[in-house]
Amino acid sequence: GAGVSQSPSNKVTEKGKDVELRCDPISGHTALYWYRQSLGQGLEFLIYFQGNSAPDKSGLPSDRFSAERTGGSVSTLTIQRTQQEDSAVYLCASSLNGGNQPQHFGDGTRLSIL
Amino acid sequence: KQEVTQIPAALSVPEGENLVLNCSFTDSAIYNLQWFRQDPGKGLTSLLLIQSSQREQTSGRLNASLDKSSGRSTLYIAASQPGDSATYLCAVSDDYKLSFGAGTTVTVRA
Repeated sequence: GAGVSQSPSNKVTEKGKDVELRCDPISGHTALYWYRQSLGQGLEFLIYFQGNSAPDKSGLPSDRFSAERTGGSVSTLTIQRTQQEDSAVYLCASSLNGGNQPQHFGDGTRLSIL
Repeated sequence: KQEVTQIPAALSVPEGENLVLNCSFTDSAIYNLQWFRQDPGKGLTSLLLIQSSQREQTSGRLNASLDKSSGRSTLYIAASQPGDSATYLCAVSDDYKLSFGAGTTVTVRA
């Protein structure tokens, strides 16, 4: 398909485990974003990539969270030593080149920490 | 810090009625404002994007207005249908980062 693809769609893991979430942006989109949607906090910005660089990581909640992007395409969000408060839906979006272009979202990864 | 508020939080209307959804934001220095639709268990679908220099955008039954100086946007949905039932989110952009409201959950009764 032509949209943003995220995997897995659902992930259940035990507290303390590491998890990796994947995002495939729309082909040709240079800008990629991660957001988190939780019941108590709504939708929050996590990190912004332009190409393979992340000029804004200000939304990452702690040093247990990291993200990378390779080849100007696929991005991986990694959460180490997961905690119950990490339970949320993690959404990825991409846009043509950032700035005034609309952001297009994937269906998200629903993460549950037991 | 940008604060985005959406009123009402929920709305239930009979089919055929027009919908009016409100969004306000505290910092008028925005690049654009985007309206999204979210269905249960799904991601966000972009409905309309209004650049900061524009006053409104239209797409089919949807019309969104923007008054940047007063920090307000309104989404109008004409002749609502049961398929319009969803949560509608507005988001303002500071160049690349979106700040979201909590959304308005709409139910259109057949």
